[in-house]
Amino acid sequence: RKEVEQDPGPFNVPEGATVAFNCTYSNSASQSFFWYRQDCRKEPKLLMSVYSSGNEDGRFTAQLNRASQYISLLIRDSKLSDSATYLCVAYRGNQFYFGTGTSLTVIP
Amino acid sequence: SQTIHQWPATLVQPVGSPLSLECTVEGTSNPNLYWYRQAAGRGLQLLFYSVGIGQISSEVPQNLSASRPQDRQFILSSKKLLLSDSGFYLCAWSPGSPLHFGNGTRLTVT
Repeated sequence: RKEVEQDPGPFNVPEGATVAFNCTYSNSASQSFFWYRQDCRKEPKLLMSVYSSGNEDGRFTAQLNRASQYISLLIRDSKLSDSATYLCVAYRGNQFYFGTGTSLTVIP
Repeated sequence: SQTIHQWPATLVQPVGSPLSLECTVEGTSNPNLYWYRQAAGRGLQLLFYSVGIGQISSEVPQNLSASRPQDRQFILSSKKLLLSDSGFYLCAWSPGSPLHFGNGTRLTVT
């Protein structure tokens, strides 16, 4: 079983839409969680950390449910510039476990 | 502030040739260092990670090796490249958490 699993999509949404990505992790000992964004042919970049209490950064909201081992990312008011692949990451014991990513295309 | 440098940005090498990719981190000491590979249209695969000089952990058996000769230097090598070694190679560092990537090296083995 993979450490981190994500729906690969693709998600094609119109500008202004709200879109949610989900992710599950298999090891309950995972310590920290993150969302990364990867543009085509570029390196992944940290979008935001995910805290148990949930956290928000502008149009982005991340949630963590440790009981269900579930992480989510909500993007409100989607922009064309949000088009990218979003990677869910779990951290445990000096290692980072990446999901395969969810592809998002925001359509004008 | 901390920065990570990785070079070259692109590389085309024939099958059977050697490989050396270098990565250095500035502005921090004793970072954890990582090499990942991403094949076309695929997810990130952890190849090696290091928690200190000379300490290398290998995650996947293959014809690649890694070395950490200095605290902030991480090198990925191969004696003989295979076609299947083509991909996007990413060096990354971490102070523990989270992970920060270099710009990557796009390797094509022909």
